[in-house]
Amino acid sequence: AQSVAQPEDQVNVAEGNPLTVKCTYSVSGNPYLFWYVQYPNRGLQFLLKYITGDNLVKGSYGFEAEFNKSQTSFHLKKPSALVSDSALYFCATNAGNNRKLIWGLGTSLAVNP
Amino acid sequence: NAGVTQTPKFRVLKTGQSMTLLCAQDMNHEYMYWYRQDPGMGLRLIHYSVGEGTTAKGEVPDGYNVSRLKKQNFLLGLESAAPSQTSVYFCASSQRESKDTQYFGPGTRLTVL
Repeated sequence: AQSVAQPEDQVNVAEGNPLTVKCTYSVSGNPYLFWYVQYPNRGLQFLLKYITGDNLVKGSYGFEAEFNKSQTSFHLKKPSALVSDSALYFCATNAGNNRKLIWGLGTSLAVNP
Repeated sequence: NAGVTQTPKFRVLKTGQSMTLLCAQDMNHEYMYWYRQDPGMGLRLIHYSVGEGTTAKGEVPDGYNVSRLKKQNFLLGLESAAPSQTSVYFCASSQRESKDTQYFGPGTRLTVL
């Protein structure tokens, strides 16, 4: 069965430090991988996606993610965290013709001033 | 371009009451989705639609019904609300392809007493 896992419920990082939010996947076929962010009391917003091609994907708000096929990972990264990056981050996947996204449980990112 | 909108934003129901949540999108998207979000459980798909006049069950369809009479609207109904349906409900839409981004509404916070 297709799935994604976000192994950390919460990540804490100091402002200005690099941040990483982890995601691993298990899919058959070529994975389509997504990152979304949810700010408090808001809907989810698309950050970036990997479909094919370059393993390093750049997205909104300075975020990027690296697709690693051998480690079946798609970690979200940012070189320098901002307090305003504090939010809930979701990894998701689908594969093939499946129109439904499979979601991780989310990782709460707290950036401390 | 309003994107995805949801009505209402908040609602409190008594057990056994019924209500309908409305989702509207102005992006001419084919696919629409209803999710619920509960603490520690991530996003769970309730129902989805791949086009006007068609609907399908997601992971947690029991206790909910949906209709897609117009392409731009996707309605979620609760015929007899239960406390277990207390949740935040999100609507999303996407274009036809499985690799397409889903766009989310701002959510409806429903409390069933």
